[in-house]
Amino acid sequence: QQQVKQSPQSLIVQKGGISIINCAYENTAFDYFPWYQQFPGKGPALLIAIRPDVSEKKEGRFTISFNKSAKQFSLHIMDSQPGDSATYFCAASKAGGFKTIFGAGTRLFVKA
Amino acid sequence: NAGVMQNPRHLVRRRGQEARLRCSPMKGHSHVYWYRQLPEEGLKFMVYLQKENIIDESGMPKERFSAEFPKEGPSILRIQQVVRGDSAAYFCASSPLSGNSNQPQHFGDGTRLSIL
Repeated sequence: QQQVKQSPQSLIVQKGGISIINCAYENTAFDYFPWYQQFPGKGPALLIAIRPDVSEKKEGRFTISFNKSAKQFSLHIMDSQPGDSATYFCAASKAGGFKTIFGAGTRLFVKA
Repeated sequence: NAGVMQNPRHLVRRRGQEARLRCSPMKGHSHVYWYRQLPEEGLKFMVYLQKENIIDESGMPKERFSAEFPKEGPSILRIQQVVRGDSAAYFCASSPLSGNSNQPQHFGDGTRLSIL
């Protein structure tokens, strides 16, 4: 019930294409869903986050789509660039709980 | 502009030794979290601390692992009598005082622990 399932495990996208990463959760008590970007040798950096009272959030080329009834959310990277090549983690937590549960990660490679 | 500072960045220990990992949270942050990341895997929650208090240690192994966040100084993750399976990257994150709402966690660049 505490799991966050992430797919795909790896993704190759052409420069300028759209990268899509999907996550699903089970615990309906989760109410905060951040996405993190991690480069090799670095810690995860917060990219964008959403709460379940909205269905979509956009920041620049990054968009989160959220489907509360299906308990699924996804990250879309528009106009993907080689500099976006990194590992992306979805995560979930619940108010007052503070513990953040991470997905297994998606390794994105954007071909120039 | 100091973010979350972790040291050392790399730590090599022989089996049976002790490993001490340090984490200084961002200025103004009073919540500290420790995570472990195995190669090609996601981050696994270990422990959540506030100053002088352990709030949630449900992800900590029952033996050999301990954590503290004293009134003064950094948070410490201590691993006693290390074994090869302890080899991993250990990340610390911090967040500001949040009350009942979630605040984003800011991560350090981790300590890579290698056990010989």
